Amino acid sequence: ETGVTQSPTHLIKTRGQQVTLRCSSQSGHNTVSWYQQALGQGPQFIFQYYREEENGRGNFPPRFSGLQFPNYSSELNVNALELDDSALYLCASSLAGFFYGYTFGSGTRLTVV
Amino acid sequence: EDKVVQSPLSLVVHEGDTVTLNCSYEVTNFRSLLWYKQEKKAPTFLFMLTSSGIEKKSGRLSSILDKKELFSILNITATQTGDSAIYLCAVNFSNDYKLSFGAGTTVTVRA
Repeated sequence: ETGVTQSPTHLIKTRGQQVTLRCSSQSGHNTVSWYQQALGQGPQFIFQYYREEENGRGNFPPRFSGLQFPNYSSELNVNALELDDSALYLCASSLAGFFYGYTFGSGTRLTVV
Repeated sequence: EDKVVQSPLSLVVHEGDTVTLNCSYEVTNFRSLLWYKQEKKAPTFLFMLTSSGIEKKSGRLSSILDKKELFSILNITATQTGDSAIYLCAVNFSNDYKLSFGAGTTVTVRA
């Protein structure tokens, strides 16, 4: 069983709506990264949070935003949903300064209709 | 722009066959290359490679990195149906916080 938990597992939203996805990181990990995986593609880096601040961002528009909380859990928020936002959203935790890959959660499957 | 390319995109084999998956990259400030297995949703870590020519093994899986030619291979011997999955290759760069993934190779093992 993975130490990273994500919720919800699936959801369906309408174009233009807003969505919040949640992630609890593995115990002992203080860094959370979010990835978007479209069907048939590899995961694409959205952003990373460390010490409650954004620590790097991929090529995603500002309507993708996030938060990290003192307990290292995290949220991904997407505003003004578009059909192309339909994807698997993966949360991954790691320990800053000791990169040995990530521990991924099982993801949230978002469908925008 | 940094680039990670995996080949083939998909393949179908029979139980007992050997599979070789390829990953090539064009990146600056390379630090490490990682392989993941994705069965349903969560990618699970297989190997991290940082040095050229040193093979990493775990059971029937093995992987090696060639930093001069900028590629890695993942081998699976005596395949089983449980090896059916998407295999993802990713590269991490020095002073960077993200992984750049290839599109993955879908392996289907038939009984």
